Amino acid sequence: DTEVTQTPKHLVMGMTNKKSLKCEQHMGHRAMYWYKQKAKKPPELMFVYSYEKLSINESVPSRFSPECPNSSLLNLHLHALQPEDSALYLCASSQGPSVDNEQFFGPGTRLTVL
Amino acid sequence: LAKTTQPISMDSYEGQEVNITCSHNNIATNDYITWYQQFPSQGPRFIIQGYKTKVTNEVASLFIPADRKSSTLSLPRVSLSDTAVYYCLVGDSMGNNNDMRFGAGTRLTVKP
Repeated sequence: DTEVTQTPKHLVMGMTNKKSLKCEQHMGHRAMYWYKQKAKKPPELMFVYSYEKLSINESVPSRFSPECPNSSLLNLHLHALQPEDSALYLCASSQGPSVDNEQFFGPGTRLTVL
Repeated sequence: LAKTTQPISMDSYEGQEVNITCSHNNIATNDYITWYQQFPSQGPRFIIQGYKTKVTNEVASLFIPADRKSSTLSLPRVSLSDTAVYYCLVGDSMGNNNDMRFGAGTRLTVKP
């Protein structure tokens, strides 16, 4: 199984809501990533987990809170978001947390903040 | 900042060979070069990776000159379905977060 799954596919939330994005992989990968992508822009790295520990946090606002409950799952908890946070949120995984490892990306969650 | 520079866009026609060049003047000795393809509203997909000279797979070829300061992704006989954004990433096995930053990418449009 070489697939990364993400749920939900689409999410609409108000600025006072709390929601979570979920990502799952069963390839035995030990690195998992969250990226944010705005329209017509490249993916922007947010967080990297290596062996279930947060190894990279790209100065992301605290209204985004990542969690890695186990080696197969990655969550992104959202709270008090702003309309400018509307974007495609991509999850990826790889054997190890470095660019020389092929990253497998999920289809993304399209988030709209009203 | 990303470590790479690519043309913003390219146009081609079906059946042509397309070459997309990526500049990485500050590439380090241990760095690999990796290319991804992204269709609209989908996650990027790995295409090819190389360290030096030439690498070929069923989808593309990657040409890397001896000084490794640039690389060229070659797509043979493109079709309309190759219309996508192509990203070049450069980095090593040390997990440097700077390596994970995607550059602007090259938007390839294939016309009939």
